[in-house]
Amino acid sequence: EDQVTQSPEALRLQEGESSSLNCSYTVSGLRGLFWYRQDPGKGPEFLFTLYSAGEEKEKERLKATLTKKESFLHITAPKPEDSATYLCAVPVYNQGGKLIFGQGTELSVKP
Amino acid sequence: DTGVSQNPRHKITKRGQNVTFRCDPISEHNRLYWYRQTLGQGPEFLTYFQNEAQLEKSRLLSDRFSAERPKGSFSTLEIQRTEQGDSAMYLCASSLVDQGPQHFGDGTRLSIL
Repeated sequence: EDQVTQSPEALRLQEGESSSLNCSYTVSGLRGLFWYRQDPGKGPEFLFTLYSAGEEKEKERLKATLTKKESFLHITAPKPEDSATYLCAVPVYNQGGKLIFGQGTELSVKP
Repeated sequence: DTGVSQNPRHKITKRGQNVTFRCDPISEHNRLYWYRQTLGQGPEFLTYFQNEAQLEKSRLLSDRFSAERPKGSFSTLEIQRTEQGDSAMYLCASSLVDQGPQHFGDGTRLSIL
């Protein structure tokens, strides 16, 4: 069965303290992995798509990487405005783009 | 703003009432998805459309739930005879192609009294 697991569930950082979030996946035929950011009371906001092992994408203080079994979201020198829940998702093979999400990592960055 | 739009943002209703939500996708997107999200969890897939055709429904979507996308534009999600367990955030997303990134609206939060 296709599955996505994120860790840790919650992460508290001081401003400037770099760290990484993990997304482990089990799917039959990876067709991409998506990272989203979700603020309280809002819908998920698209960040990155990764399609193949070894691929990396960057946006401001965020960098996403992909291996054959997991993806990492690295946050370099975070700021309080980076506080949010970060979700990863993979499309289910041959089911029209239906996404399976992890439960998310709630990131809190204190000044 | 050309993003995905959902209305209403909040809906409070009594158990047993019917509710309907609307989603307006990004105009050039032919794929439209509905998800449900409860507190502390990631979104769970409910159903999706390609243009006006509903192509898949999750086991989560009981016969009290129905979704439509007339003319392949906006979509509605109706819940009949609401129950306490229906309380959740209902999210709509759209994409240009089936493997492309899905772009989400800000959801409709449903509260059942």
